[in-house]
Amino acid sequence: AQSVTQLDSQVPVFEEAPVELRCNYSSSVSVYLFWYVQYPNQGLQLLLKYLSGSTLVKGINGFEAEFNKSQTSFHLRKPSVHISDTAEYFCAVLTGANNLFFGTGTRLTVIP
Amino acid sequence: GAVVSQHPSWVICKSGTSVKIECRSLDFQATTMFWYRQFPKQSLMLMATSNEGSKATYEQGVEKDKFLINHASLTLSTLTVTSAHPEDSSFYICSARHESYEQYFGPGTRLTVT
Repeated sequence: AQSVTQLDSQVPVFEEAPVELRCNYSSSVSVYLFWYVQYPNQGLQLLLKYLSGSTLVKGINGFEAEFNKSQTSFHLRKPSVHISDTAEYFCAVLTGANNLFFGTGTRLTVIP
Repeated sequence: GAVVSQHPSWVICKSGTSVKIECRSLDFQATTMFWYRQFPKQSLMLMATSNEGSKATYEQGVEKDKFLINHASLTLSTLTVTSAHPEDSSFYICSARHESYEQYFGPGTRLTVT
């Protein structure tokens, strides 16, 4: 079975500082991983995804993530955050049933 | 990119009534649509998977007679909450699978049952 763990429920960071949102996964099959962002009272928007190939994945809004098989991690990073990055971020893994299983989410708050 | 819409964006209904939520893929055909439920400050929980022209597959613990799902066409799926109760109040989000593994999410519908 597949699952994801987001250890940090809340991450406050000052504007223009770097940020890393952690995601660890467990899977017994090929791993397809995703990061989504959710702004208040809205649906989810795909930031980036890892299906295969290069372990460093670049997404929208300046975000990137690195797939690390040995550490079973897929951490999300941004070198310099903006106020507009304040949102909820979800890591997800594709299950064997071709469904998405979401982590519990990390609330990123950018402080001016 | 692919766009998914939901209607209504929010709805208030009285306990005991039924509410229908529509999910449409606007610029692509989706053979599979998904319905999720999200409680405040929590993650998304998959309720059911809807395939066009066939019965929906419900996740364990989701009452299929209470949450009726119809996937009548390749661009429309509906979720009907029957005999709604206050505990059904939640944020309902649909998604549509475009191709391969990618899902596109609707903006969500906030249901409040009074």
